[in-house]
Amino acid sequence: ELQLVESGGGLVQPGRSLRLSCTASGFTFRDYAMHWVRQAPGRGLEWVSGIYWNSGNIAYADSVKGRFTISRDNAKNSLYLQMNSLRAEDTALYYCAKDMGMAQDNAFDIWGQGTRVTVSS
Amino acid sequence: DIQMTQSPSSLSASVGDRVTITCRASQDINNFLAWVQQKPGKAPRSLIYAASSLQPGVPSKFSGRGSGTDFTLTISSLQPEDFATYYCQQYDRYPYTFGQGTKLEI
Repeated sequence: ELQLVESGGGLVQPGRSLRLSCTASGFTFRDYAMHWVRQAPGRGLEWVSGIYWNSGNIAYADSVKGRFTISRDNAKNSLYLQMNSLRAEDTALYYCAKDMGMAQDNAFDIWGQGTRVTVSS
Repeated sequence: DIQMTQSPSSLSASVGDRVTITCRASQDINNFLAWVQQKPGKAPRSLIYAASSLQPGVPSKFSGRGSGTDFTLTISSLQPEDFATYYCQQYDRYPYTFGQGTKLEI
């Protein structure tokens, strides 16, 4: 069964850091690009960041550029999101999503269940 | 950034109805358009990619059409499990962007 499991969320103070992880199973992780998508409470979906299969290209939403870093470890079937200088507006449920291809111009097909991040003092 | 605008924002319908949701992109997105379903408290589920191709396991009651900047999602013979929020998403260029969502209510 194709599966993505996120972890690492929690309550953090503004300005602090948090690292999210996403562990994949049921498919050849290294063959696909991956993404993070978030959803603030009561709001819609917002794409956060994406990374090619080989980490050769990385992109970010303007709202997180310079603060968040996406990375992957293909040997561990894992995707990461390092979140620094967190703000209240980063409070959201963070989903990991699998791309249908290796690079760009492909839709997502599999989503994780999400990990919740709350930024508050 | 490419703006995605859905209409309507909410829609009331009955079991057995056929409904259509519209999504407009602020520029040509080369049919790199996906539709995603989300039920309350659940993770998103991908329904359609490339504007009209069904993801595996998605019933044929869901259909997508369109090209360039204007797209539609049609759901026929509504069942209780279809009442959810639907989002369109462009993946033509970064940053990928979603529409604001259409809440389909009974």
